[in-house]
Amino acid sequence: DAGVIQSPRHEVTEMGQEVTLRCKPISGHDYLFWYRQTMMRGLELLIYFNNNVPIDDSGMPEDRFSAKMPNASFSTLKIQPSEPRDSAVYFCASSLAEGGQYFGPGTRLTVT
Amino acid sequence: QQPVQSPQAVILREGEDAVINCSSSKALYSVHWYRQKHGEAPVFLMILLKGGEQKGHEKISASFNEKKQQSSLYLTASQLSYSGTYFCGTEGSSNTGKLIFGQGTTLQVKP
Repeated sequence: DAGVIQSPRHEVTEMGQEVTLRCKPISGHDYLFWYRQTMMRGLELLIYFNNNVPIDDSGMPEDRFSAKMPNASFSTLKIQPSEPRDSAVYFCASSLAEGGQYFGPGTRLTVT
Repeated sequence: QQPVQSPQAVILREGEDAVINCSSSKALYSVHWYRQKHGEAPVFLMILLKGGEQKGHEKISASFNEKKQQSSLYLTASQLSYSGTYFCGTEGSSNTGKLIFGQGTTLQVKP
């Protein structure tokens, strides 16, 4: 069975550009999470969904970040406009209720 | 509030044992443990639920003390493949699905 799929794996963009990260969770999982990982701040939860509904977006840094989950098999995280401090590895993870979280391979974002 | 892990780093020889601790200042519903190797995604190891039993598989096990809001991960007879950074993720007092991760414990196993 396929794990969590993320695209792109690497993204290099210039400051001010829009960036869209994509995630396909494991089929049947009803929770989806977006994380950001940096050396300085560690692994931070940005937002999570339950049954496609956003439950907690308190970790989203600012209005430049937005996330959607239009259906059970797809989610996007958008940054507009991007800034150099957004450079990080972004992970998507999915889970069942009271289950472990299964992480995708991540998207390494570099904003110059 | 972020849980605190200790120690921050451990260096072992193959076959030695290690314990990694995770402590929270708040009541917990569950504790998760993950291992991340350099350049890879975190991998789920196990989950301990409030009121549940100690869990484990092979030579990796964990305990959860609800009263002390602490969890410990036990690695027995460590192997080279155990090297990586271990994270605990804590879920607050109710089942929300939301985890807060500790800062990580780096484990290096040498031959």
